[in-house]
Amino acid sequence: GENVEQHPSTLSVQEGDSAVIKCTYSDSASNYFPWYKQELGKRPQLIIDIRSNVGEKKDQRIAVTLNKTAKHFSLHITETQPEDSAVYFCAASIGGSQGNLIFGKGTKLSVKP
Amino acid sequence: DVKVTQSSRYLVKRTGEKVFLECVQDMDHENMFWYRQDPGLGLRLIYFSYDVKMKEKGDIPEGYSVSREKKERFSLILESASTNQTSMYLCASSDRTGIEETQYFGPGTRLLVL
Repeated sequence: GENVEQHPSTLSVQEGDSAVIKCTYSDSASNYFPWYKQELGKRPQLIIDIRSNVGEKKDQRIAVTLNKTAKHFSLHITETQPEDSAVYFCAASIGGSQGNLIFGKGTKLSVKP
Repeated sequence: DVKVTQSSRYLVKRTGEKVFLECVQDMDHENMFWYRQDPGLGLRLIYFSYDVKMKEKGDIPEGYSVSREKKERFSLILESASTNQTSMYLCASSDRTGIEETQYFGPGTRLLVL
């Protein structure tokens, strides 16, 4: 079945450094790729998303890149801050479904002051 | 702002009890989803619904059922709770009418089965 692999599972960076989280997907019909941030004890919240007709999207300190040929997409966070500490999930739409997503297993990002 | 609410933040139940988890969204979304979240396993889909009275099994439906009698409400039912159903349960909704596929999550229900 469809699968999304996410790496690394944990990531620790110093404040001000960049963080990169990578995901690969298996369904060639996937065309929507959201990223969610889940702070401790809170709900997952969408932070950025990208569609398959776009290679890169940026929103202030976060950016997402998509390589459809290689079936991978990445989240880049620059100038990290302690409040960026959270679990980040990538997801990919399931082709042929009416809105189903398949999620990666998550990356726990720790930003040390 | 999309608002997805869940009936309880924390629940403690006994093995064998019937458990109801309620989810309500106020954005007139067609799609609703139930996930469970366990450490190291990410979000796993239990059931989903694209419309009233419609339901489909997700990846891990065993031991669960659902009900969608109204568009805004999607209930998850544990017919006979077992200890391996101790988990965080997250409800989500999304719009199917446009190109927007973003899922919006509720705050979650942390269920402990003793």
